[in-house]
Amino acid sequence: AQKITQTQPGMFVQEKEAVTLDCTYDTSDPSYGLFWYKQPSSGEMIFLIYQGSYDQQNATEGRYSLNFQKARKSANLVISASQLGDSAMYFCAMIRGNFNKFYFGSGTKLNVKP
Amino acid sequence: GAVVSQHPSRVICKSGTSVKIECRSLDFQATTMFWYRQFPKQSLMLMATSNEGSKATYEQGVEKDKFLINHASLTLSTLTVTSAHPEDSSFYICSARTNTGELFFGEGSRLTVL
Repeated sequence: AQKITQTQPGMFVQEKEAVTLDCTYDTSDPSYGLFWYKQPSSGEMIFLIYQGSYDQQNATEGRYSLNFQKARKSANLVISASQLGDSAMYFCAMIRGNFNKFYFGSGTKLNVKP
Repeated sequence: GAVVSQHPSRVICKSGTSVKIECRSLDFQATTMFWYRQFPKQSLMLMATSNEGSKATYEQGVEKDKFLINHASLTLSTLTVTSAHPEDSSFYICSARTNTGELFFGEGSRLTVL
């Protein structure tokens, strides 16, 4: 069964505008963690932001914020003031239960237009 | 959707022993597989790119003799951590690329070296 769903295979955004990348997850575990990674053409997965299931506030890291809606099981990534360097693949991931398994979404390719 | 399976999901071993982790693409052929190492709440570090039938391409700083990668078939790549030490304890994740360029991830293997 699909654990992490990213419904946007590709997106375009104008430079300096904000963009939201969607992610929904499926788990019955009360304890889990949600990650967003950026993958540039180099292949490395760059950690952007983390949200724990018990965290009361939405996580923020600079221009990145995670819109965590627990009841809806969504963890959308919001990038404010997009930059050309933000063009990359973005993966949503979940680690759940006893933190022994990672689940990744299929990714969203973001293109930032000048 | 495409499925990538990793085995074992969790392994505990004594210092000095070798551990093999398998990565299988269950319903597609993957000419290219990738191996990553993850530190808690940090980036997934790309360790090597594995191409079927040829030697793996290691990233700078990754010891080839320490982390042996074999991609013997289009559906299987293995990572062997040789003479494991406690500092090798980590989460190891593989991904496999389809011939259309999509990337699918395994669920990870948590290695604990005592």
